Amino acid sequence: NAGVMQNPRHLVRRRGQEARLRCSPVKGHSHVYWYRQLPEEGLKFMVYLQKENIIDESGMPKERFSAEFPKEGPSILRIQQVVRGDSAAYFCASSHRDRGSKNIQYFGAGTRLSVL
Amino acid sequence: AQSVTQLGSHVSVSEGALVLLRCNYSSSVPPYLFWYVQYPNQGLQLLLKYTSAATLVKGINGFEAEFKKSETSFHLTKPSAHMSDAAEYFCAVSAPETFGNEKLTFGTGTRLTIIP
Repeated sequence: NAGVMQNPRHLVRRRGQEARLRCSPVKGHSHVYWYRQLPEEGLKFMVYLQKENIIDESGMPKERFSAEFPKEGPSILRIQQVVRGDSAAYFCASSHRDRGSKNIQYFGAGTRLSVL
Repeated sequence: AQSVTQLGSHVSVSEGALVLLRCNYSSSVPPYLFWYVQYPNQGLQLLLKYTSAATLVKGINGFEAEFKKSETSFHLTKPSAHMSDAAEYFCAVSAPETFGNEKLTFGTGTRLTIIP
């Protein structure tokens, strides 16, 4: 399966701990998006990255959240000092930017973060 | 700025009946429009997309949607519902790649229930 791989699928943290969510895009895709889905809500955009660059982080909370997409390896969404309100499903999507792709983003199965 | 409104957070139809899920959008640029389906505890799967070609778009699993610029709508339909269609459906909008950032703006979703 050459789709978007996210791990872990489920992550449990206590308040104040750090959460690291990983996303390996579709092979050959150089664009990664992170979205958050709170219970009973739609997905909300968090951040858009290309290799080694953050293009748009307008949806990221100003504190405790960071994201990276290094030249080698997966994209990482990092949440420091988690709070109960961070409990959500975090989805990663990747795309390949050319005229033929027409903005199609392919989604991973998500990481469900539970903060105790 | 872009936004999506999905009318009806819950829709129930009988097996074999017509499925109609409503989506209206707002966009300051010619939009790309998408319908995604989410099964429980899974990621999002693309059903279909509109990217400025034919206004009637056919997708997977017998679904189709029609882009109506005058009504700013992109409703999803299926002539005959099947039990396997029970899921959460999300309408999303993005700007074309020529406008840069292709982040998706999602509606709040419609949960479709199929009555045997």
